[in-house]
Amino acid sequence: AQKVTQAQTEISVVEKEDVTLDCVYETRDTTYYLFWYKQPPSGELVFLIRRNSFDEQNEISGRYSWNFQKSTSSFNFTITASQVVDSAVYFCALSEANYGQNFVFGPGTRLSVLP
Amino acid sequence: DVKVTQSSRYLVKRTGEKVFLECVQDMDHENMFWYRQDPGLGLRLIYFSYDVKMKEKGDIPEGYSVSREKKERFSLILESASTNQTSMYLCASMPGHNSGANVLTFGAGSRLTVL
Repeated sequence: AQKVTQAQTEISVVEKEDVTLDCVYETRDTTYYLFWYKQPPSGELVFLIRRNSFDEQNEISGRYSWNFQKSTSSFNFTITASQVVDSAVYFCALSEANYGQNFVFGPGTRLSVLP
Repeated sequence: DVKVTQSSRYLVKRTGEKVFLECVQDMDHENMFWYRQDPGLGLRLIYFSYDVKMKEKGDIPEGYSVSREKKERFSLILESASTNQTSMYLCASMPGHNSGANVLTFGAGSRLTVL
């Protein structure tokens, strides 16, 4: 069975600090996709990134970066120089390969960035 | 700007009432989903639809039904609302298999309170 764990329920940081959100997943598939979504207070989940299991390259997009390590089944998300606008709930998700319609979401991590 | 629109952001209903949650997408997506979001549990799939008039049960279909008469519209129905269905309901859509892009686009959510 597939499972996604986000052990950090809530994190609080002060603006300009770096913060890492952890995501650990379980799957028996050899091919799969991993995702991060952001849910700001408005409620709408916003897609941040999709990573194929064959692509272990780390990715950077502005202040956001993602570290994918198959050896530890982790797909961690780092925000550099956090800002108040980064305050949101962040979800990590896993889907099966071959265009899976079955998505498994983690419980989410609520990030509060204080001014 | 492409969108998934949920007709009601906030609803308050009484136990036993029939509740309709409507979702419309303007992206011509084949797949549509209804999730339920509860604190600490992440998103759980209620139903999804991969085509007009087609539906598949998700992880927690009990107490819910769905309708997809048109491609752009996916309705969630609570035949007889109960207090344990108080939750945030999220609709999402996704392109068909040929697009190769299994990324969910979410609506802003409908927060239902059942008294």
